[in-house]
Amino acid sequence: GAVVSQHPSRVICKSGTSVKIECRSLDFQATTMFWYRQFPKQSLMLMATSNEGSKATYEQGVEKDKFLINHASLTLSTLTVTSAHPEDSSFYICSAPDTNYGYTFGSGTRLTVV
Amino acid sequence: AQSVSQHNHHVILSEAASLELGCNYSYGGTVNLFWYVQYPGQHLQLLLKYFSGDPLVKGIKGFEAEFIKSKFSFNLRKPSVQWSDTAEYFCAVNAPGGGFKTIFGAGTRLFVKA
Repeated sequence: GAVVSQHPSRVICKSGTSVKIECRSLDFQATTMFWYRQFPKQSLMLMATSNEGSKATYEQGVEKDKFLINHASLTLSTLTVTSAHPEDSSFYICSAPDTNYGYTFGSGTRLTVV
Repeated sequence: AQSVSQHNHHVILSEAASLELGCNYSYGGTVNLFWYVQYPGQHLQLLLKYFSGDPLVKGIKGFEAEFIKSKFSFNLRKPSVQWSDTAEYFCAVNAPGGGFKTIFGAGTRLFVKA
């Protein structure tokens, strides 16, 4: 089945540093990748949509300069949290559409900024 | 804009009880509907999906959902729950007219007492 591999699964970083999260589609081409954020005990909130070879589309209220998204190939999309602060601590999940299975999700990245 | 409403935030049931989780969406056009489950400490998994055809959809682990277009609803059901069904359940919708962005409901936490 379709698999999206997301790394790292957990990361702890110091305030002010940047963190890169990668999502790779392993057995299919992901021309689109959705990036979500999940706060504790809350639902997933769509942050942005990345499309291979073009600029990402950000949802209202999401700072594009803080959450840099790159989708340079059909199998790789990255989210970089720049100058991270404690309020950026969250669970970040990527998802790619696959017509066979609907939408395949990565396993998520738990970011803790100290 | 699309939105998804899940009526119950927390549900507690005893084993063998029947389950129905409500989900309503707002979007006037054609939609794709999903139910996802997130077991404790795990990532999202697809339970079932509706794209078209028979409005009664059967998914994994004995779950089913019925799409009622006139009510904009996609309720999840299971005749007899098990302790292992303890998890959080998310209803989600996307639409071709909305760029296939998947919008999630707030989630329902189900706890099944053994």
